[in-house]
Amino acid sequence: EAGVAQSPRYKIIEKRQSVAFWCNPISGHATLYWYQQILGQGPKLLIQFQNNGVVDDSQLPKDRFSAERLKGVDSTLKIQPAKLEDSAVYLCASSLAGMTYEQYFGPGTRLTVT
Amino acid sequence: GNSVTQMEGPVTLSEEAFLTINCTYTATGYPSLFWYVQYPGEGLQLLLKATKADDKGSNKGFEATYRKETTSFHLEKGSVQVSDSAVYFCALPPYSGAGSYQLTFGKGTKLSVIP
Repeated sequence: EAGVAQSPRYKIIEKRQSVAFWCNPISGHATLYWYQQILGQGPKLLIQFQNNGVVDDSQLPKDRFSAERLKGVDSTLKIQPAKLEDSAVYLCASSLAGMTYEQYFGPGTRLTVT
Repeated sequence: GNSVTQMEGPVTLSEEAFLTINCTYTATGYPSLFWYVQYPGEGLQLLLKATKADDKGSNKGFEATYRKETTSFHLEKGSVQVSDSAVYFCALPPYSGAGSYQLTFGKGTKLSVIP
């Protein structure tokens, strides 16, 4: 079974530029999560989707971050414009719909904002 | 809301040493508790879980017991290997009755095992 795929693995941008991350969850997983993991900290949930609907985006900085999951499968997370404090690893995870706390994580995208 | 506190790292052990990584929690009710592991260059993986008080989760030689008296879920392994070098995260739902299966993670404890 293929795992959660993310791309790119690494990205370096200057502040005020834009960036987008892509995630393809495990086939059949209706729930998708985006986390931000700052160095030395645990992952923090940014947004949770159930199919193509948003379950929780209360910790998403909506003035600069946006995410979509148009067909209930792949998802894109965008930052526009980026700030220095956005430097982090962005993790995507997926799980079976409403059945489990067991989340399957992708390898993450390491973003450096200079 | 619910929260978790992990021991600060990094932890460096020799191969075959005994490992304990402390985790304590603050929670309403008795939520499920989890340990996730992140190997270098990889995403997080569920290591083990316990769904109710006094449960013991175990996997790959690791164990953790859900102790409501001390609000703890310490991770232990009797004999660590170099391949256990990773970052370990304690986690629980953010609040009682979350229903959306979110998780709140601790800051992580980095373990390095030397031959």
